Amino acid sequence: QVQLVQSGAEVKKPGASVKVSCKSSGYTFTDYGFVWVRQAPGQGLEWMGWINAYNGNTNYAQNLEGRVTMTRDTSTSTVYMELRSLKSDDTAVYYCVRGGGYSTSPPGDWFDPWGQGTLLTVSS
Amino acid sequence: DIQMTQSPSAMSASVGDRVTITCRASQGISNYLAWFQQKPGKVPKRLIYGASSLQSGVPSRFSGSGSGTEFTLTISSLQPEDFATYYCLQHNTYPPTFGQGTRLEIK
Repeated sequence: QVQLVQSGAEVKKPGASVKVSCKSSGYTFTDYGFVWVRQAPGQGLEWMGWINAYNGNTNYAQNLEGRVTMTRDTSTSTVYMELRSLKSDDTAVYYCVRGGGYSTSPPGDWFDPWGQGTLLTVSS
Repeated sequence: DIQMTQSPSAMSASVGDRVTITCRASQGISNYLAWFQQKPGKVPKRLIYGASSLQSGVPSRFSGSGSGTEFTLTISSLQPEDFATYYCLQHNTYPPTFGQGTRLEIK
C-alpha cells in the first residue's frame, strides 16, 4: 500500500535550519508530486509548497519564499523540506502529502495519503 | 489568494443527526475541492475529492456536492466516531488554500 514515512521530531533554536525527510513506498515515485502542509499548535492547515518528483520543479508559498527548499532523491523515493532562519512561529507539525505531478493532474491525485507528521519545535 | 470560508466554525450535534458543513470560495474553483477529517492528535484524512467523489474506504454516510464557489459536506447520520474537525481545501488555483475548519462536537 502507498505509505509516506517522515523523519522524527526536531527541536531547533531560532535562526537555525531544519531538514525533514519523507520516504515513499508502494507506488512509482516519479508519477506524482508532493505537497508539504504545516499545522501550528491548535491552528488550521497551511500549504507550504509542492515539488514534482519527476523533474524537481517546485512552487512555494509566497510567505516562505527564500526560506524553504524542497528537493527529492529519486534513488531512494524520498523528498526533503528544508526550512531556514527558523522563528518561534515555525513551531508546528509538518506533513508531507502525495500530490499530483502537474497542475492538471486529476483531483484524485492530490492530498492523499499523508505522512505521519513531524513535530518541529523552535525555542531558545 | 482564494479565500475559503467554512461555516459554521463550530457546531454541536447528536448521534443520528444529519449535518451539513458549507465552504464558500472567494472565486470559482471548478471541482478542485477536497474535504478532510482530523481528530485530535491525528493526521488529516481525505474524505472527498473532486468536490463529490468519495475516498475509498470512507463510509457512504459522507457525501460532497457543489461546484464553482459553493460546496457542502454532508454526514447523513452522525456516528460517534465522526466527532472531529473538518477542513475544506481548494487546489484549483495557486496557492492551495484551506478553510479555517469546522469543529463538530457532541451535543
